[in-house]
Amino acid sequence: GAGVSQSPSNKVTEKGKDVELRCDPISGHTALYWYRQRLGQGLEFLIYFQGNSAPDKSGLPSDRFSAERTGESVSTLTIQRTQQEDSAVYLCASSLEWPGLALRSSYEQYFGPGTRLTVT
Amino acid sequence: GNSVTQMEGPVTLSEEAFLTINCTYTATGYPSLFWYVQYPGEGLQLLLKATKADDKGSNKGFEATYRKETTSFHLEKGSVQVSDSAVYFCALSFSGNTGKLIFGQGTTLQVKP
Repeated sequence: GAGVSQSPSNKVTEKGKDVELRCDPISGHTALYWYRQRLGQGLEFLIYFQGNSAPDKSGLPSDRFSAERTGESVSTLTIQRTQQEDSAVYLCASSLEWPGLALRSSYEQYFGPGTRLTVT
Repeated sequence: GNSVTQMEGPVTLSEEAFLTINCTYTATGYPSLFWYVQYPGEGLQLLLKATKADDKGSNKGFEATYRKETTSFHLEKGSVQVSDSAVYFCALSFSGNTGKLIFGQGTTLQVKP
């Protein structure tokens, strides 16, 4: 079946412009995550959506970053007034519903190919 | 805080050599541990995982054992192939939390024929 898709695959923008990145999760996956990977560094968690629950925004680096998700479908990550330090690969992942405290288990997160953002 | 530290790369090996990529973690709770792999031009994918102490995760000839006493989850393979050339990421997450992954910085492995 179809995996997680992201668009665009590459985005070059000028400093100060707004950008919008899109993620299409795997159908039936209620959990959705955004991560950022800066050059030579590991992935940093940005935000998490689970169904209709309030999102976990604890990883967003500044108020220039925001994300939305409609139900259990597409998510968009918006970066306003982009800065050069925002240059990175932005990865989206989806998984089945997080089991929570009741189970010592974890569902695999399936990652998209990422959007490479370059701010000039 | 919670963090993951991996050995720095790049690691360059000849085909059929033994591989070890070290991973240690710092955690305030009892995490699940993962190895993810990113092959050239492909997305990140789960390689193996372990959810409790002394568990051994294995896949494609790779193994890693959850060592609580040394807070480690080292990745090993007895005989690497050229096709194993990739970037490997160690990560942790907590059940009961959102499941967000905390990653190490990644280790690049290059296997030469």
